[in-house]
Amino acid sequence: KNQVEQSPQSLIILEGKNCTLQCNYTVSPFSNLRWYKQDTGRGPVSLTIMTFSENTKSNGRYTATLDADTKQSSLHITASQLSDSASYICVVLNTNAGKSTFGDGTTLTVKP
Amino acid sequence: DAGVTQSPTHLIKTRGQQVTLRCSPKSGHDTVSWYQQALGQGPQFIFQYYEEEERQRGNFPDRFSGHQFPNYSSELNVNALLLGDSALYLCASSRPSGDLSFTDTQYFGPGTRLTVL
Repeated sequence: KNQVEQSPQSLIILEGKNCTLQCNYTVSPFSNLRWYKQDTGRGPVSLTIMTFSENTKSNGRYTATLDADTKQSSLHITASQLSDSASYICVVLNTNAGKSTFGDGTTLTVKP
Repeated sequence: DAGVTQSPTHLIKTRGQQVTLRCSPKSGHDTVSWYQQALGQGPQFIFQYYEEEERQRGNFPDRFSGHQFPNYSSELNVNALLLGDSALYLCASSRPSGDLSFTDTQYFGPGTRLTVL
């Protein structure tokens, strides 16, 4: 069964600190992996999209990494801000089925 | 350039009733996907519409049906509502891909919060 597991489930950090969120997947064959940010009560917004051949991709203070061999991805947030408080969702696309599998997300809370 | 819009924003129904949710895709997009997101969980794929046809479907019962109009907007219909149908329903649009890789990013709407009492 294709699965996407995210950890930790929730995380609390102080403003200005860095953090790393993890995503492990079993989806195969793999097409691409995306990280979304979802503010409470809002729809998800895309942060990065990575294909099989990409190891690292940055979007401002967000840096995503991908290890297709171990089927792991991480999202690193640098110098966190209060506005980073949200749920971060990892999504993996299965090439054959053309379907995306969503993780349950990591809820990040940034405190002043 | 309008993004993805959904209506209504909130909806309260009782068990057994029927509901229709609406979505207008981002300008230039003609593929619409629907998702159900329960509290504290990631979105679950319901189905996807392209060229007014259902192209993909997730593991949802036939009570969930949809439609896509010639202007690419879409509706999600849920019949015989159950308490468990209470969730945030998200619509996402994207440009068409030549294959099923769907490498184009999906843009999500703000969602419709459905509460079934």
